[in-house]
Amino acid sequence: DAGITQSPRYKITETGRQVTLMCHQTWSHSYMFWYRQDLGHGLRLIYYSAAADITDKGEVPDGYVVSRSKTENFPLTLESATRSQTSVYFCASYRTSGDNTGELFFGEGSRLTVL
Amino acid sequence: GNSVTQMEGPVTLSEEAFLTINCTYTATGYPSLFWYVQYPGEGLQLLLKATKADDKGSNKGFEATYRKETTSFHLEKGSVQVSDSAVYFCALSREGGSYIPTFGRGTSLIVHP
Repeated sequence: DAGITQSPRYKITETGRQVTLMCHQTWSHSYMFWYRQDLGHGLRLIYYSAAADITDKGEVPDGYVVSRSKTENFPLTLESATRSQTSVYFCASYRTSGDNTGELFFGEGSRLTVL
Repeated sequence: GNSVTQMEGPVTLSEEAFLTINCTYTATGYPSLFWYVQYPGEGLQLLLKATKADDKGSNKGFEATYRKETTSFHLEKGSVQVSDSAVYFCALSREGGSYIPTFGRGTSLIVHP
């Protein structure tokens, strides 16, 4: 099925461990994004990518690393997880429209708990 | 910079009540405006959008009009259903350039039978 797939959907880890959240799109959208969603903060942009091998920081990048070697994949790595990184993480891709705008398509989210 | 402000929630309504969720924005130039909806346990999905002043976006009985003079994009529905219970996010994106949307904090809607 076409769309965005995130894995794992649920993850429990311990402080200090490395965690990688995977994101795969079946289209060839150029732009991809990682957001975290927390009560009281809404959606906050962690990193985004305009194309393969092009990534840039968003609003809250500290403690996260991304890569984009292929257009369809955009993994997010927490190099040394902290309790403050307990959150729901959403990956999204952006499809442009003919009216000079576009639409974001979101995955179902990855719920991460850091103990 | 760009910003989006939404009314605080939760908004609690009875079925068939009228809904308004306020959204105002700050942006340079002429952004496009969006409403996204997040149903429980799911990711966000586009509900409607408007790309220029006075445009009205509509979908599933929801409407929002792009008001440049008041920098607003309020979401309305004449008769809500229990199935409309969700979190609603207002967002904008800049014209041209990079496609980095700015989101409001979201407004939770709870509809009781």
